Amino acid sequence: QKEVEQDPGPLSVPEGAIVSLNCTYSNSAFQYFMWYRQYSRKGPELLMYTYSSGNKEDGRFTAQVDKSSKYISLFIRDSQPSDSATYLCAMSPNTGGFKTIFGAGTRLFVKA
Amino acid sequence: DTGVSQDPRHKITKRGQNVTFRCDPISEHNRLYWYRQTLGQGPEFLTYFQNEAQLEKSRLLSDRFSAERPKGSFSTLEIQRTEQGDSAMYLCASSLGGGVNTEAFFGQGTRLTVV
Repeated sequence: QKEVEQDPGPLSVPEGAIVSLNCTYSNSAFQYFMWYRQYSRKGPELLMYTYSSGNKEDGRFTAQVDKSSKYISLFIRDSQPSDSATYLCAMSPNTGGFKTIFGAGTRLFVKA
Repeated sequence: DTGVSQDPRHKITKRGQNVTFRCDPISEHNRLYWYRQTLGQGPEFLTYFQNEAQLEKSRLLSDRFSAERPKGSFSTLEIQRTEQGDSAMYLCASSLGGGVNTEAFFGQGTRLTVV
């Protein structure tokens, strides 16, 4: 079993829909939770960064962490075609970055 | 462009050949990371440097792999005697320190194909 599980999709939604992306994990030592967006043939870029449990909102993006369930989510409101990309969850037990474990990524397509 | 730069973007090599990739981090960043990403998977950590010191290496980094960061600036990743299983995207990232809310910026990667 992988430490981080993420449904690879693809997930196809119409423009304007609310998108829900999820990951589960098994390592209770994870404290830092991240979501990255990766466009085709590009490197990942950090979208959201959350410490421990709770919610964090940034514009159209909301990240949720439920440590008791070992479950994290990313919600995208009013989705746009430009949101079409692969979304990677990532988590780490510390701030060092080098122990970050990535999910496999969910491919999202937003249709105009 | 002041982002993380990787060279080359693509490399095709024959099995058994040696290859070397270069990463130029964001200039003031003291931490530099190498990751490997295969199709349909997330990046997997290979190694990281703080300044010129290589502080951590993954078990994925076999003896055929070596990474350097002379003078704490650019870094190179060399793969000797390449195998078809080495075909992947090799990503470099850099950050300023490693505290809370420290963002690691990724380069666009070097895509290696071993034939």
